[in-house]
Amino acid sequence: GNSVTQMEGPVTLSEEAFLTINCTYTATGYPSLFWYVQYPGEGLQLLLKATKADDKGSNKGFEATYRKETTSFHLEKGSVQVSDSAVYFCALSDHLTGGGNKLTFGTGTQLKVEL
Amino acid sequence: GAGVSQSPRYKVAKRGQDVALRCDPISGHVSLFWYQQALGQGPEFLTYFQNEAQLDKSGLPSDRFFAERPEGSVSTLKIQRTQQEDSAVYLCASSSGTPETQYFGPGTRLLVL
Repeated sequence: GNSVTQMEGPVTLSEEAFLTINCTYTATGYPSLFWYVQYPGEGLQLLLKATKADDKGSNKGFEATYRKETTSFHLEKGSVQVSDSAVYFCALSDHLTGGGNKLTFGTGTQLKVEL
Repeated sequence: GAGVSQSPRYKVAKRGQDVALRCDPISGHVSLFWYQQALGQGPEFLTYFQNEAQLDKSGLPSDRFFAERPEGSVSTLKIQRTQQEDSAVYLCASSSGTPETQYFGPGTRLLVL
């Protein structure tokens, strides 16, 4: 079945450092890819998405490019802030037999940004 | 509404008790999903509704789990005879005409003692 693998955390960075969180996937076909973020005490929020190969999703300074050749969707940010501290989940859309698409998530990567 | 809401936010149950978890999706959203998130893990799919029809329940872990959405809006996830392994955060998500963008509620944290 389809699956998502992302780097284990926690990742600890100093403020203004460059961030990369790796995500690779295994899927039949060409699923849409997503990054969701979960801030402490809050629900999952969609951060960005890409629906086809070579698409770049971006939001709040974060970027990720859908790489079909390497089956990857790595999350990057040029300069992190303390407020970016959260758990980040990579996910793909997975077609359901009855119609619709569920999300298949990775295990999440905790990011801690320190002053 | 402004977003997906879930109630209760926290639930403590004794092993063997039945529990009911409620989800209010974003108004007008046709699709509704339930996910289970164990501690330190990503959410895992449980079941999917399109309006009132439950189109997929392949992720429900046992026949103790039951979900319904009788009028195509509010949904309830019921767990009968709760077990300790049911302890998790239960997430509800809804989506509209963009089928793949799901909006999540804050979750219900269930602790079974």
